[in-house]
Amino acid sequence: GAGVSQSPRYKVAKRGQDVALRCDPISGHVSLFWYQQALGQGPEFLTYFQNEAQLDKSGLPSDRFFAERPEGSVSTLKIQRTQQEDSAVYLCASSTQGAGKPQHFGDGTRLSIL
Amino acid sequence: AQKITQTQPGMFVQEKEAVTLDCTYDTSDQSYGLFWYKQPSSGEMIFLIYQGSYDEQNATEGRYSLNFQKARKSANLVISASQLGDSAMYFCAMREGLGTSYDKVIFGPGTSLSVIP
Repeated sequence: GAGVSQSPRYKVAKRGQDVALRCDPISGHVSLFWYQQALGQGPEFLTYFQNEAQLDKSGLPSDRFFAERPEGSVSTLKIQRTQQEDSAVYLCASSTQGAGKPQHFGDGTRLSIL
Repeated sequence: AQKITQTQPGMFVQEKEAVTLDCTYDTSDQSYGLFWYKQPSSGEMIFLIYQGSYDEQNATEGRYSLNFQKARKSANLVISASQLGDSAMYFCAMREGLGTSYDKVIFGPGTSLSVIP
C-alpha cells in the first residue's frame, strides 16, 4: 500500500517515560502534519512541515513535545516525560501542495499514559 | 478564537433522507480552501469534498454537496439519500494561505451523524 503509515499503532507508557511516534508519508508529499485527537474531539493541529522545514509548531502543547523530519520524508514526534494528559490518538497526514489537495491520513497512534 | 465552528454535536437522520451538517469559519485570508472529512468508528479519516474560496459553483461529489455561502462564511455539507454506512463523525476543515508556502489546516470539533433505519 502507498498510504501514510504510522507506527506503533498502540503505545502504552508509564508517566515520565519518553515516547517516539513515527510517520511515513506518501512518497513525494511535500507537506506533513501532526495532529492530536482526544476522544470525541476534532483533530488539534500540532505542527506542520514543508519538506524538512518545520514551518509551524504553534500547536505543540509544551516544550516536552518535539517533532522532526530531517530528510523531508519520515517524521518523528517525540514526547518527553509523558503525562497522563498526553493520552490521545496522534494522527499524521501528508499532502501535495496546491489548492484542493486533501490530506491523506494515517491510522494514528493511540497513546495511553498510565 | 475558534476558527471552525460546527454547532451540531449530534444529528439523526432517517435512512434515504437528506441531511445538512453545518460549518462556519473565520479567516481574514482571501484565498482558502474548505474540506469535509468523515471519520467512522474505526478511526480512519476519509476525505469527502473540497471547496475553494474562489470557486463560483458549489462543489459536488456523488451524494455529497457543499452549500458554500462566502459572505456568511459558511460551508455546510449536504448528504443526500442517507445510508446506514454514513453513520460517523464529520469534520469541517480549513486550509489558509493557499498559493503561499504556508499550508496550515485546522479542523472543527465535528458532528456525530447517526442514520436510523
